[in-house]
Amino acid sequence: EVQLVESGGGLVQPGGSLRLSCAASGFTVSSNYMSWVRQAPGKGLEWVSVIYSGGSTYYADSVKGRFTISRDNSKNTLYLQMNSLRAEDTAVYYCARGGSEAEYFQHWGQGTLVTVSS
Amino acid sequence: DIVMTQSPDSLAVSLGERATINCKSSQSVLYSSNNKNYLAWYQQKPGQPPKLLIYWASTRESGVPDRFSGSGSGTDFTLTISSLQAEDVAVYYCQQYYSTSYSFGQGTKLEIK
Repeated sequence: EVQLVESGGGLVQPGGSLRLSCAASGFTVSSNYMSWVRQAPGKGLEWVSVIYSGGSTYYADSVKGRFTISRDNSKNTLYLQMNSLRAEDTAVYYCARGGSEAEYFQHWGQGTLVTVSS
Repeated sequence: DIVMTQSPDSLAVSLGERATINCKSSQSVLYSSNNKNYLAWYQQKPGQPPKLLIYWASTRESGVPDRFSGSGSGTDFTLTISSLQAEDVAVYYCQQYYSTSYSFGQGTKLEIK
């Protein structure tokens, strides 16, 4: 069974940093498209970043240069390093596994809340 | 970037009736080399992560009831629930995966009339 469990969220001051983790089971992270998608309180879904099986990474313009997606194959875990955080980064962050054929989001974690506030 | 626009923003339908949600992309998401539309639909209930319903515009995900169907091509797409059930109350999102800057529609809130 595919499972994704996010952790690492919390309260951080503007300008601060946070690293989110997504522990996967039931499949191999490095063999799949893996993304982070966020949802601000009461708002819609916003794609944040993707890492392909080959290692290529892509980012939304809103986080480019501040966020870094990575994975640890030995731990079968996906990460999102978030630097220079802003109030508008406040959201629930979901990790999601892509489909077998393309980058629709077939499996989702339960999410972790990041709050950026002083 | 491809902008996805859904209509309506909210919808109230009687139990057992048909619900229709539209999604329009700012450019075609039909890939000519494989004739596939890179369009997915998700359902999100309060306090839960989104759930994949439809991909390739019309392929139902395993386990999704057959009252859910997707149609359309190019820039115009539709999610149809043929006979609304109480458990279908949720927010529905379309998403394009044609370009790497994946994007979602703003969401359509579906309620019972």
